[in-house]
Amino acid sequence: EVQLVESGGGLVQPGGSLRLSCAASGFTFNNNGMNWVRQAPGKGLEWVAYISSSGYTIYYADSVQGRFTISRDNAQNSLYLQMNSLRDEDTAMYYCARSTTVNTWLLDYWGQGTLVTVSS
Amino acid sequence: ETVMTQSPATLSVSPGERVTLSCRASQSVDSNLAWYQQTPGQAPRLLIYGASTRATGIPARFSGSGSGTEFTLTISSLQSGDFAVYYCQQYNNWPPHTFGQGTKLEIK
Repeated sequence: EVQLVESGGGLVQPGGSLRLSCAASGFTFNNNGMNWVRQAPGKGLEWVAYISSSGYTIYYADSVQGRFTISRDNAQNSLYLQMNSLRDEDTAMYYCARSTTVNTWLLDYWGQGTLVTVSS
Repeated sequence: ETVMTQSPATLSVSPGERVTLSCRASQSVDSNLAWYQQTPGQAPRLLIYGASTRATGIPARFSGSGSGTEFTLTISSLQSGDFAVYYCQQYNNWPPHTFGQGTKLEIK
């Protein structure tokens, strides 16, 4: 069974930093690209970042470019999101989501999310 | 960026009814359109991809259609677990691939 378990969320002040983690199991982690998708309270879904299976190809949403860094450790079956210079508008539930092997942008498994709150 | 617009924002329906949700793209996305279901407090679940192909394990009462800029998701005979928020997502023009704002199905 595919499982994605996020951790690392919490309360942080504007301008602060946070590192999210996603532990993957139940599939061959280095076969799939991975994503972070966020959802602000009461709002819709916003894709944040993508990393290819090898880690060589990375994309970011304009809203986080230059502030967030996605990475992965295939030996540890883990995905990360380093978030710097956090803003109020980064407050959201952050989901780790797996890309399918047939299409990079289809997300077939999602974790339960970790909540990030940016507030003074 | 391709903007996805879903309508209506909220739909009140009764169990057993048939319902159709709409999604419109600001430019053509061919058939690169997916639908996700999100029940309260849960992560989204992939329902439909390629505009009309059901994902693994998705019941036949869910069906999708459309191409280009106009798409629909139809749920025949609504069951209690189907009351949720449904999002469409285009993955033709990227990055970024973009989601609609969602349609909430609520019990009448």
